Amino acid sequence: SQQGEEDPQALSIQEGENATMNCSYKTSINNLQWYRQNSGRGLVHLILIRSNEREKHSGRLRVTLDTSKKSSSLLITASRAADTASYFCATFLNNDMRFGAGTRLTVKP
Amino acid sequence: DAGITQSPRHKVTETGTPVTLRCHQTENHRYMYWYRQDPGHGLRLIHYSYGVKDTDKGEVSDGYSVSRSKTEDFLLTLESATSSQTSVYFCAISEGQGPSQPQHFGDGTRLSIL
Repeated sequence: SQQGEEDPQALSIQEGENATMNCSYKTSINNLQWYRQNSGRGLVHLILIRSNEREKHSGRLRVTLDTSKKSSSLLITASRAADTASYFCATFLNNDMRFGAGTRLTVKP
Repeated sequence: DAGITQSPRHKVTETGTPVTLRCHQTENHRYMYWYRQDPGHGLRLIHYSYGVKDTDKGEVSDGYSVSRSKTEDFLLTLESATSSQTSVYFCAISEGQGPSQPQHFGDGTRLSIL
């Protein structure tokens, strides 16, 4: 069964806007990871945040983690058409990595 | 690029036939994984390996077996394929030597069972 659930399932924005995706999960975690998947390709790792961290940045990506609410968010700033992809959160606990069903992001030029 | 190659990339076969998918890595990673991806389910773990001849079941292992006789190769076998096993299959490795690290994925095998 899935551990993480992304919200929304689909998001459509204009180039230059910010995109925010959320992930909720049910159990405690060691870390939470975000991945991107372009159509027809494998997942690509974006960022890992440990359970004792609250925020991480990587380029235009900002990830937050609230373990009390069992939720995480991924913010992509100044989006580009090339950011069009599906985005997945994955939670890790004790040798078990679980992926959500993903958010489909479309960035219109 | 983590040097992960999956073969074949596409396969169509009939119900009841055996199917073997291959995952090859070039960087000596300890942990390797097989997932299936279906609409609405995200990725679900089938089996994983933590070393040569060391494998364990994942969430959806029924109907699948795996083998790892060399560090670089991880094989997934469907002994008698069923239509419910039509899916996209991904192989992945963990960075470093631990399972908590980021995973790197191959580009998948699209398997259709008629």
